[in-house]
Amino acid sequence: GQSLEQPSEVTAVEGAIVQINCTYQTSGFYGLSWYQQHDGGAPTFLSYNGLDGLEETGRFSSFLSRSDSYGYLLLQELQMKDSASYFCAVRDLNNFNKFYFGSGTKLNVKP
Amino acid sequence: ETGVTQTPRHLVMGMTNKKSLKCEQHLGHNAMYWYKQSAKKPLELMFVYSLEERVENNSVPSRFSPECPNSSHLFLHLHTLQPEDSALYLCASSPGGRGVSTDTQYFGPGTRLTVL
Repeated sequence: GQSLEQPSEVTAVEGAIVQINCTYQTSGFYGLSWYQQHDGGAPTFLSYNGLDGLEETGRFSSFLSRSDSYGYLLLQELQMKDSASYFCAVRDLNNFNKFYFGSGTKLNVKP
Repeated sequence: ETGVTQTPRHLVMGMTNKKSLKCEQHLGHNAMYWYKQSAKKPLELMFVYSLEERVENNSVPSRFSPECPNSSHLFLHLHTLQPEDSALYLCASSPGGRGVSTDTQYFGPGTRLTVL
């Protein structure tokens, strides 16, 4: 099975940098994905790490270390619109039809 | 706009009602999914269809019945639900198959279901 742990809530101010961690216990996965979900909205794909290391996409970066069973999403130059929930997710290596999600981290960005 | 639509957006039903949720994807994907999202819990995968064939039923009670008439449409038929079934039901699609490029899922906006 797969288990992904995230902090439930994080608060930061506009312009700051925030890191959202995801630690996992899995029996194997293809890569680590990150999704953003605003209140009342659909989860939308943000970033993907198939290999260890850092992936950068504009203000957002994501990191994976398989040896440490750990990944994180880094948000820079925070804006009010970044207030949302963020989920990490994996696709099961042994059953590629199955995706597993963390319980999500609610990010509150304050002025 | 993710290319995945869901109707209705909100649904209130009694425990004895029968209703259906509809999902449509305009992305040409081969795989479609139903998820249940409850407060403070991870998204729970319910069903997976690949090329219109059900390939995963994640121990979901029989009061939830999926249907996939073609690769663009997915339904979730509901009957004799319980109050604890109240949640946000999300539909998603992905290209399907194996491989790194197929890991991304595209979600619809969800149906907020309340069972009285």
